[in-house]
Amino acid sequence: QSALTQPASVSGSPGQSITISCTGTSGDIGTYNLVSWYQQHPGKAPKLMIYEVINRPSGVSNRFSGSKSGNTASLTISGLQAEDEAHYYCCSYAGTYNWVFGGGTKLTVL
Amino acid sequence: EVQLVESGGGLVQSGGSLRVSCAASGFTFSSHSINWVRQAPGKGLEWVSYISATGSSVYYADSVKGRFTISRDNAKNSLYLQMNSLRDEDTAVYYCARTVKYAFDMWGQGAMVTVSS
Repeated sequence: QSALTQPASVSGSPGQSITISCTGTSGDIGTYNLVSWYQQHPGKAPKLMIYEVINRPSGVSNRFSGSKSGNTASLTISGLQAEDEAHYYCCSYAGTYNWVFGGGTKLTVL
Repeated sequence: EVQLVESGGGLVQSGGSLRVSCAASGFTFSSHSINWVRQAPGKGLEWVSYISATGSSVYYADSVKGRFTISRDNAKNSLYLQMNSLRDEDTAVYYCARTVKYAFDMWGQGAMVTVSS
C-alpha cells in the first residue's frame, strides 16, 4: 500500500478557513467511506478529529469538517485559531484490516 | 481514567529483538480491537498491525510481516508487539491505538524504539 498524498504544508491567518487534501486510490479512499483525520502537536500523540469521512468525535470543535469526492478526501478548518497549528494526517481503511496514512501536512497559523 | 500506556521501548542492535507492551485502563479492553502505529523521527504515521478484540485475527503491514508478532492478554488488559530481526528503518515511536468505527480514537503516549547498527 502506498501512502496517501497530502500537501506538505498549508497556512492561513486567524479567522480564515483552510482545506487540506488527501489523495488515495480506488483501493482505499475511492472504495471506503472510512477516512479519518488526526491532529498532532509536537511531541504529542495524534488525536482523532474526523472519522467516517464526515463525523466528529465528541469534544472536537465544529470548526473541523471533512468531505470526500472520488479518490480524494478533504479536511476543512474554519475560523483558524493559533491552537490549530499542528501536523494533520489523513488515514483510510484499505480493506482486510489494513490502513494507510497520508504523509502529513504542517498547518501554520500566520 | 481511560488510557493506554506503552512501555518496553529502548535501544537494540540491528538484527536484535524487543517487545513493547501497552496497558489499557478505564474501558472494557476485551471489547475492542487494537493496533500498533509507528512514527519514525521527523516522519509521518505508519500503520503496523491490528488485532481483533478476542485476539483470533491479526494483520500486519508488509514492512513488518514475518518479523513482528502482535498479541494480547485480555485478562491483563495488555497488548504486546514482539519485534524480531529489527532493522534501522524500524526506529520509531510505537503507539498503541484503539479502533472504533475503523478509526483510531484513543492513543497511548508512545514508546521509542531505536535500532542501532
